[in-house]
Amino acid sequence: SQQGEEDPQALSIQEGENATMNCSYKTSINNLQWYRQNSGRGLVHLILIRSNEREKHSGRLRVTLDTSKKSSSLLITASRAADTASYFCATDMGNRLAFGKGNQVVVIP
Amino acid sequence: GAVVSQHPSWVICKSGTSVKIECRSLDFQATTMFWYRQFPKQSLMLMATSNEGSKATYEQGVEKDKFLINHASLTLSTLTVTSAHPEDSSFYICSAHNRATSSYEQYFGPGTRLTVT
Repeated sequence: SQQGEEDPQALSIQEGENATMNCSYKTSINNLQWYRQNSGRGLVHLILIRSNEREKHSGRLRVTLDTSKKSSSLLITASRAADTASYFCATDMGNRLAFGKGNQVVVIP
Repeated sequence: GAVVSQHPSWVICKSGTSVKIECRSLDFQATTMFWYRQFPKQSLMLMATSNEGSKATYEQGVEKDKFLINHASLTLSTLTVTSAHPEDSSFYICSAHNRATSSYEQYFGPGTRLTVT
């Protein structure tokens, strides 16, 4: 089954605006992680939120987790052109990560 | 710290030949390595999980005889695509996980782009 389905899949914003992405999943998880991927490159780990946490911050990133709704959101504040990338959520089910479809974010300078 | 490298970064091969991709953890011991496949504009699909010194566990639908995985040491795993065909063209990404650190994170390599002509 498909875990971690992000919505929306494509987002185009002006530099300085905030970008919000959502992710839903279907089964119980240990934690949920967000990754960034620049075109044709590997993944960069952004932030991890454990199943018993509700919100976490890291710099300009804010992640929320609602285990009752099985959903998470990633907020990038004050976006920059360098934030242009694909963003994936991944659910950790103990022995593997299941990746969502990904959000393509384009930040226009 | 926690750097994972892949070699080669890109490779072009002829149909019917085999290609080996290496994944190395440079500054930590990777008790578990994962191999993913990613098609353009799509998500990562887990192909197999390999634990050092044991046979890889393949995901459903992944041919173990076609995608040979070896994890002979704590810092190196290899993926060999045997008898490659054009439909095997894809972006292959490995990641490494060190359970000894109790970290849930996986550290990803930069990926290998395979083109089969």
